[in-house]
Amino acid sequence: DVKVTQSSRYLVKRTGEKVFLECVQDMDHENMFWYRQDPGLGLRLIYFSYDVKMKEKGDIPEGYSVSREKKERFSLILESASTNQTSMYLCASRPGASGSNEQFFGPGTRLTVL
Amino acid sequence: SQQGEEDPQALSIQEGENATMNCSYKTSINNLQWYRQNSGRGLVHLILIRSNEREKHSGRLRVTLDTSKKSSSLLITASRAADTASYFCATDADNRLAFGKGNQVVVIP
Repeated sequence: DVKVTQSSRYLVKRTGEKVFLECVQDMDHENMFWYRQDPGLGLRLIYFSYDVKMKEKGDIPEGYSVSREKKERFSLILESASTNQTSMYLCASRPGASGSNEQFFGPGTRLTVL
Repeated sequence: SQQGEEDPQALSIQEGENATMNCSYKTSINNLQWYRQNSGRGLVHLILIRSNEREKHSGRLRVTLDTSKKSSSLLITASRAADTASYFCATDADNRLAFGKGNQVVVIP
């Protein structure tokens, strides 16, 4: 089974701190995604990556950056956390173009910025 | 940008009844997918229907797709308490998914 893990289930940070959210998948998937989920807004795509060292902006990239140095790991970085970044963050992965179209999700990280 | 929009937003039913959720979207798609999310957890893929398909079944799930109306429906038959969750539709275009806002379903034992 595909497994997507996220470094923390719950995280509390202070305004202005640099925050790293880590995501690791074990199925050699090319594509990886970061979403945030807020009540009434559903899932919104922050950034995604098609391959190592590649990144593409999603719908709401402002205030975030990403890093993909290795195929299995996709990191989301909040350079200077703000209270409006309090949210549930979900990582997902998907095989390349010849594979399945479904995305496999991690359990999520609930981030609170005080 | 957000594509899928589910309707109704919240549904409460008795165990054994059927639950139906609808999703509408705005642009062309390659396929449409439905996901389930249990409270505070990640999403789990349920079923995918391609743009050239009209209906698909998987166990107690039945999905329809009407590309002329840009809409899809998810039917869960003979619901169980364990089906209590949020359900999301997601449209797949340009190798990325656009999710709807979700549909909360509560199955009362």
